[in-house]
Amino acid sequence: DAGVIQSPRHEVTEMGQEVTLRCKPISGHDYLFWYRQTMMRGLELLIYFNNNVPIDDSGMPEDRFSAKMPNASFSTLKIQPSEPRDSAVYFCASSSTDLAKNIQYFGAGTRLSVL
Amino acid sequence: QKEVEQNSGPLSVPEGAIASLNCTYSDRGSQSFFWYRQYSGKSPELIMFIYSNGDKEDGRFTAQLNKASQYVSLLIRDSQPSDSATYLCAANTGGFKTIFGAGTRLFVKA
Repeated sequence: DAGVIQSPRHEVTEMGQEVTLRCKPISGHDYLFWYRQTMMRGLELLIYFNNNVPIDDSGMPEDRFSAKMPNASFSTLKIQPSEPRDSAVYFCASSSTDLAKNIQYFGAGTRLSVL
Repeated sequence: QKEVEQNSGPLSVPEGAIASLNCTYSDRGSQSFFWYRQYSGKSPELIMFIYSNGDKEDGRFTAQLNKASQYVSLLIRDSQPSDSATYLCAANTGGFKTIFGAGTRLFVKA
């Protein structure tokens, strides 16, 4: 399996622009997670899905952030409008009910810079 | 607020020594605990998971869990320069929700 695939790997945009991050989970995994990592706050869980349904979005920082999972093989995280404080590395991870104790596999991440 | 606390380090050990990384968690309901390794500029990768009190060994790595003290540790024996990375401790807090600590930076000096 190719693992969790994220795109783009790097994104540079200007404040106020819409940003869309994409994720393809490992085939057969039924859980998908979006995280944000910064030096100040570490790795924070933003939202996670089970069988394409959002289960917990309490980590989404504000209404500018939204996430969707239209099918089992694709998810997006959208920021509109983007702000410089959104600059971070965004990771997608996936897991399976069948895996022992919720082991998560991470994608390579998207490094977002908002100027 | 459910939290996972780690010393940010850096922890510096000579090559061949034992590196000891520690972590505490606040949610007594947490059942599963994980250690992820993250190289600079890379994504976290799982090293160990543990859910029973006591020790769990895998090669040079040993995870230790003490639920009464809400304490998790990772020992790395015969440390190598390639072990230099940030180590993230994580706890499953219910369902599939996982909380990560801020990480401990480890440097292994050749």
